[in-house]
Amino acid sequence: GQNIDQPTEMTATEGAIVQINCTYQTSGFNGLFWYQQHAGEAPTFLSYNVLDGLEEKGRFSSFLSRSKGYSYLLLKELQMKDSASYLCAVLDSNYQLIWGAGTKLIIKP
Amino acid sequence: DAGVTQSPTHLIKTRGQQVTLRCSPKSGHDTVSWYQQALGQGPQFIFQYYEEEERQRGNFPDRFSGHQFPNYSSELNVNALLLGDSALYLCASSPTGGEGEPFLVMNTEAFFGQGTRLTVV
Repeated sequence: GQNIDQPTEMTATEGAIVQINCTYQTSGFNGLFWYQQHAGEAPTFLSYNVLDGLEEKGRFSSFLSRSKGYSYLLLKELQMKDSASYLCAVLDSNYQLIWGAGTKLIIKP
Repeated sequence: DAGVTQSPTHLIKTRGQQVTLRCSPKSGHDTVSWYQQALGQGPQFIFQYYEEEERQRGNFPDRFSGHQFPNYSSELNVNALLLGDSALYLCASSPTGGEGEPFLVMNTEAFFGQGTRLTVV
């Protein structure tokens, strides 16, 4: 079966750095997405990785290792508004998005 | 440019009833995907429409059906509602690749609507 694992919940301090990990086992791989979702709202796109390595976009960076089936999302200079769920999703060989359950990130002052 | 729009935003239905949810894709997008997101979980793929046909389908019963219109907008229909159908229903639109693939592989992103919160009582 297809499986995506990420921690259920993480807590970090405002101004700090946090890394959210995601491991996956899917039927094929056409890229990995990270989405941010605030409670009761739709997911918003953060990043897309299809090649190994680190992609940096402002305070957010995403890393991919296809051989290890592993990705992480790195958030720097945390702000209170970063409190949200972060969803990892893999585009499989059928171009279907397979989603993790999300990591709820709690930011404390 | 309006993004993906869904209607209604909230809906309450009784067990056994039928419901229709609607989605208008982002301008320039011709592929529409529907997802069900239960509370505290990630979205689950229901199906995808392209050129007015169901292109792919996830692991959902036949009670879930859909339609895509010539203007690329789409409907999701759910018959014989169950309590377990209570969820946030998300519509995502995306452009088609040059060879008919449902996604542009490089730097692609699915644009989501705000969702429809369905409560079945």
